[in-house]
Amino acid sequence: EVQLVESGGGLVQPGGSLRLSCAASGFTFSNYWMSWVRHAPGQGLEWVANIRESGSEEYYVDSVKGRFTISRDNAKNSLYLQMNSLRDEDTAVYYCTRDHIYGDFYDHWGQGTLVTVSS
Amino acid sequence: DIVMTQSPDSLAVSLGERATINCKSSQSVLYSSNNKNYLAWYQQKPGQPPKLLIYWSSTRESGVPDRFSGSGSGTDFTLTISSLQAEDVAVYFCQQYYSAPYCFGRGTKLEIK
Repeated sequence: EVQLVESGGGLVQPGGSLRLSCAASGFTFSNYWMSWVRHAPGQGLEWVANIRESGSEEYYVDSVKGRFTISRDNAKNSLYLQMNSLRDEDTAVYYCTRDHIYGDFYDHWGQGTLVTVSS
Repeated sequence: DIVMTQSPDSLAVSLGERATINCKSSQSVLYSSNNKNYLAWYQQKPGQPPKLLIYWSSTRESGVPDRFSGSGSGTDFTLTISSLQAEDVAVYFCQQYYSAPYCFGRGTKLEIK
């Protein structure tokens, strides 16, 4: 059974940093693109970033470019999101997702971890 | 960016009746080289993450009941639940995966009438 378990969320002040982690199991992690998707209160879902199977390519939504970094450790079956210079509008539930083999949509999601940016 | 617009925002349907949710993209998500629409649908129940229902606009994910169907092409798409069950109460989202950023619609909340 595919499982994705996020951790690392919490309350942080504007301008602060957090590192999210996602532990993957139940599939061959190194064979899949992975993504982070967030859901802000009262807003729709938003794709944040994705990373190639090998980690050699990564892409970001414009609003987080230069502030967030996605990475992975295939030996540890883990996905990460380093978030710096956090803003109020980054407040959201962050989901770790597995990309479908056919494209940039998501066939498995973690339960999510809440990031709250507030002073 | 491709903007996804869903309608209605909320919908109340009687048990056993048909529910129809619409999704419109600001530009075509039909890729001409393979004639596939890069459009997916998700279901999100309270307290749960989204669940993939449909991709390529009309292909059901494994395990999804056949009362769920997707249709449409180009810029206009529809998710239909043929006979609403109590467990279908949820928010439904469409998503384009034609080009980054991979935008979602704002969601349609489906309730029982």
